Amino acid sequence: SQKIEQNSEALNIQEGKTATLTCNYTNYSPAYLQWYRQDPGRGPVFLLLIRENEKEKRKERLKVTFDTTLKQSLFHITASQPADSATYLCALEYNNDMRFGAGTRLTVKP
Amino acid sequence: GAVVSQHPSWVICKSGTSVKIECRSLDFQATTMFWYRQFPKQSLMLMATSNEGSKATYEQGVEKDKFLINHASLTLSTLTVTSAHPEDSSFYICSAQTGDQPQHFGDGTRLSIL
Repeated sequence: SQKIEQNSEALNIQEGKTATLTCNYTNYSPAYLQWYRQDPGRGPVFLLLIRENEKEKRKERLKVTFDTTLKQSLFHITASQPADSATYLCALEYNNDMRFGAGTRLTVKP
Repeated sequence: GAVVSQHPSWVICKSGTSVKIECRSLDFQATTMFWYRQFPKQSLMLMATSNEGSKATYEQGVEKDKFLINHASLTLSTLTVTSAHPEDSSFYICSAQTGDQPQHFGDGTRLSIL
């Protein structure tokens, strides 16, 4: 079965630096992969979707890469701000459903 | 756009009672709605997928008689936890999707069974 691993449970960085979060999967490559943001006690909010034939996707300060050879997606937040502090989830398409990683809790310190 | 409303946001009830959670897509018609469960510091676990007008498809290990799902319209799905027990206490989240667009999530329902 497909396993989804997000590199670390928690990541602390200084304001202004670039945060890099990793999502690895173990089995087949999905048709697309998504990244979501989740704040405590709230539902996830969709951020970006990247398809298997796309290497990179950008949206404002966010950048996502997708390497089907490495079975890995990287999620970058440039010029990070304390307001970016949240849990970030990667999700993989699986038989028309989505499977979520456990998330990485990012804390951006001023 | 793409707002999903989930109600109630928080419920506490006694063991043995049934609890109904509503999920509404406010500004779009959802061909598919999903129900997830999330324990603290854990991933969202898909419970079931429902398409309007048809029976829900449950994930392995999810009791369909305990977690009743109704998807009567393109904007409303309900999850009823029947005869709830303390082990059913969790954070339940719904999402709605149209076509192959990304899922849009509600803000979840925190269920506490005493």
